[in-house]
Amino acid sequence: GIQVEQSPPDLILQEGANSTLRCNFSDSVNNLQWFHQNPWGQLINLFYIPSGTKQNGRLSATTVATERYSLLYISSSQTTDSGVYFCAVEPYTGGFKTIFGAGTRLFVKA
Amino acid sequence: NAGVTQTPKFRVLKTGQSMTLLCAQDMNHEYMYWYRQDPGMGLRLIHYSVGEGTTAKGEVPDGYNVSRLKKQNFLLGLESAAPSQTSVYFCASRDGTGNYGYTFGSGTRLTVV
Repeated sequence: GIQVEQSPPDLILQEGANSTLRCNFSDSVNNLQWFHQNPWGQLINLFYIPSGTKQNGRLSATTVATERYSLLYISSSQTTDSGVYFCAVEPYTGGFKTIFGAGTRLFVKA
Repeated sequence: NAGVTQTPKFRVLKTGQSMTLLCAQDMNHEYMYWYRQDPGMGLRLIHYSVGEGTTAKGEVPDGYNVSRLKKQNFLLGLESAAPSQTSVYFCASRDGTGNYGYTFGSGTRLTVV
């Protein structure tokens, strides 16, 4: 099956710093999503981005489907950005299954 | 508009007991999913449904059964619980015709002793 790899696995930032999270996937995909899981366990959809670039406030994402990777940019990080960021892909031949990466755990220090 | 509601939020079972987790969505979404999340790991797909009356296996279906008798509800059953099924279970739904973003429920924390 498709492999989804996220890097780095852990990241510690000082408040106000910028960061880039990466998601690599091993096969063609129909769609790709980025999620944030807050420290209380709630999962929030950040972006649905099978290709191209999207921005939402301090967050932006870019997916280059032909090269099988996606990037999530966090600018001017805040303590509320802490949590785990997951990349999830629906393989082109997956039959509506969505497969998650292992996540990047982010801690933003005040 | 409640979104995706999971019940119960917490449960402790003894090995061999059975239970059903309920997921209800009020967004008229076609697709519904059950995932499990183990400590420090990502989410793994158990079963999913692409419409009322349909179900399909995901990555880790063994030990679980599901039913989608009504479009708004997706039930996950454990017939004989095992300690390996201790996990946090998440339900998600999405619109199959346009916006493919998932909406997740708040999760069910299940402990099997």
